[in-house]
Amino acid sequence: DAKTTQPPSMDCAEGRAANLPCNHSTISGNEYVYWYRQIHSQGPQYIIHGLKNNETNEMASLIITEDRKSSTLILPHATLRDTAVYYCIVRVAGNNDMRFGAGTRLTVKP
Amino acid sequence: EAGVAQSPRYKIIEKRQSVAFWCNPISGHATLYWYQQILGQGPKLLIQFQNNGVVDDSQLPKDRFSAERLKGVDSTLKIQPAKLEDSAVYLCASSRSPIYTGGGGGTQYFGPGTRLTVL
Repeated sequence: DAKTTQPPSMDCAEGRAANLPCNHSTISGNEYVYWYRQIHSQGPQYIIHGLKNNETNEMASLIITEDRKSSTLILPHATLRDTAVYYCIVRVAGNNDMRFGAGTRLTVKP
Repeated sequence: EAGVAQSPRYKIIEKRQSVAFWCNPISGHATLYWYQQILGQGPKLLIQFQNNGVVDDSQLPKDRFSAERLKGVDSTLKIQPAKLEDSAVYLCASSRSPIYTGGGGGTQYFGPGTRLTVL
């Protein structure tokens, strides 16, 4: 199973872009990168996923490096409600097991 | 579309007592998961069901934990007897795709969780 490395915490000013990095240097060719977030006292919420191309949806953008060894989740205009723990997960091939690490605690400040 | 429902939201019990949690997945989702999340850690998978069959229960402490998913819809997770270290949030999730297809088919959607405190 590929493992991920994320910084334990980050701060971001409200209205600015939040860029959350993730290293997954041992990722396999058929493994996807998923991002979830968990707001206090709630279950994890799906944000976005990708294989090798950059992806964008209404919540965020996902930038995956060409060698796929790292990725960055971008929240283009962070709000106070984006304060949460953000998890970068590499999907284990062959089943639906999501291996969560400790994630990055993002604090958006006014 | 209704989300994953869980009950109760909070439960406080004494050690050695038993407790049960209930989960109703998103309609049409064949795969259901139970996770345990200890304070300050990410969720850890306990068991995965595909319809009403168990796909993976390798991390379920089977001496005290049990789970079932009768009729392939709702599921219950039971702890008997509970220990202090079982204090955690128990999360239920569901996904649409019955097998790993990669990508969005296996995206998991989580319920709000049940916070268990064992005294």
